[in-house]
Amino acid sequence: GENVEQHPSTLSVQEGDSAVIKCTYSDSASNYFPWYKQELGKGPQLIIDIRSNVGEKKDQRIAVTLNKTAKHFSLHITETQPEDSAVYFCAATSSGGYQKVTFGTGTKLQVIP
Amino acid sequence: KAGVTQTPRYLIKTRGQQVTLSCSPISGHRSVSWYQQTPGQGLQFLFEYFSETQRNKGNFPGRFSGRQFSNSRSEMNVSTLELGDSALYLCASSYRDTKNIQYFGAGTRLSVL
Repeated sequence: GENVEQHPSTLSVQEGDSAVIKCTYSDSASNYFPWYKQELGKGPQLIIDIRSNVGEKKDQRIAVTLNKTAKHFSLHITETQPEDSAVYFCAATSSGGYQKVTFGTGTKLQVIP
Repeated sequence: KAGVTQTPRYLIKTRGQQVTLSCSPISGHRSVSWYQQTPGQGLQFLFEYFSETQRNKGNFPGRFSGRQFSNSRSEMNVSTLELGDSALYLCASSYRDTKNIQYFGAGTRLSVL
């Protein structure tokens, strides 16, 4: 089955700096990679996603890159703000129909004002 | 549009008991997935239902079961509770399958004493 590794597990940055979270996956058939943000006491919320036919996607201060050859994808947050503090999860879904989503273990991001 | 609703929000049970958790998806969503979230294991996929049929199942023992009703509402049941079942149980709904955007509920926090 699919295995998703996520690094780092914790990340502290100064407000205004950039944050990068990296994930690798094992199943070359995976073709959909969402990123979720989970705030305390809430369920995860999708913030950006990328499909395997695209190498990069950007939405305001958030961007995701995908390297299919190396089987890794990354989340980039620029100009971080205190409200970006949360746990971030990457995930991968294989292409074989209605397959289960495999999540990374999460990165706790702390943005220091 | 109302979001994904999970009830109850908190549950305390003792070992050996059974528990039923409920999930009401977003109106029009037919796919419901369940996840177990623990600090050590992250988000683990339990199962996914679509049109009252279980389409996919994660690697959990048979004590974990679920069902979906004709109105897409779903329930998850855990029998013979063990201490290790203490976790946050999350439900996510999507329009058709897990490659559509998944919307998570706030979860049910289960504590097994």
